[in-house]
Amino acid sequence: EDQVTQSPEALRLQEGESSSLNCSYTVSGLRGLFWYRQDPGKGPEFLFTLYSAGEEKEKERLKATLTKKESFLHITAPKPEDSATYLCALRSGNTPLVFGKGTRLSVIA
Amino acid sequence: DTAVSQTPKYLVTQMGNDKSIKCEQNLGHDTMYWYKQDSKKFLKIMFSYNNKELIINETVPNRFSPKSPDKAHLNLHINSLELGDSAVYFCASSPSGYLSSYNEQFFGPGTRLTVL
Repeated sequence: EDQVTQSPEALRLQEGESSSLNCSYTVSGLRGLFWYRQDPGKGPEFLFTLYSAGEEKEKERLKATLTKKESFLHITAPKPEDSATYLCALRSGNTPLVFGKGTRLSVIA
Repeated sequence: DTAVSQTPKYLVTQMGNDKSIKCEQNLGHDTMYWYKQDSKKFLKIMFSYNNKELIINETVPNRFSPKSPDKAHLNLHINSLELGDSAVYFCASSPSGYLSSYNEQFFGPGTRLTVL
């Protein structure tokens, strides 16, 4: 069974303090690993899709990387507006998206 | 313009009632989904429709019945509501079928259902 585990559950950073969020997975035949951002009271917002180990994608202060066992979402010099829950999800075979439980990020000014 | 919209935003009702949640997308996508996010914020798929045809039906009680009148709309009807149905329900859409790897999904704002 496909599994997605995100860590830490919650992360508190000072503004400008860079860090990384982790998404570990076990899957047979990865077809895509997705990162989403979810603000309180809103639906998840798509950030990135990664398809193969070694792939990297960047958007503003965020950079997502992928290995055969995990994905990292690196946040460089975060700002308070980066505070949100970050969700990792994966696709394998013919199955629908399987989501992790998310990392709740708080960036303090 | 809202890409994926849901109504209502909040729904408070008594146990045993029947209620519906509506979803519309104006992105021209072929595939639409319903997800349930429980109190622990865990997001789990319930149904998927592709061009008005049911594709995915996860382990969901028969009391939940999706209906897709056209590919831009996917409604969720719930019969005989139970306390455990309380959650946030999200509608989503994607440009290609769920079998496609290129399956970025766009989510609606959610409907918070509270069953008393």
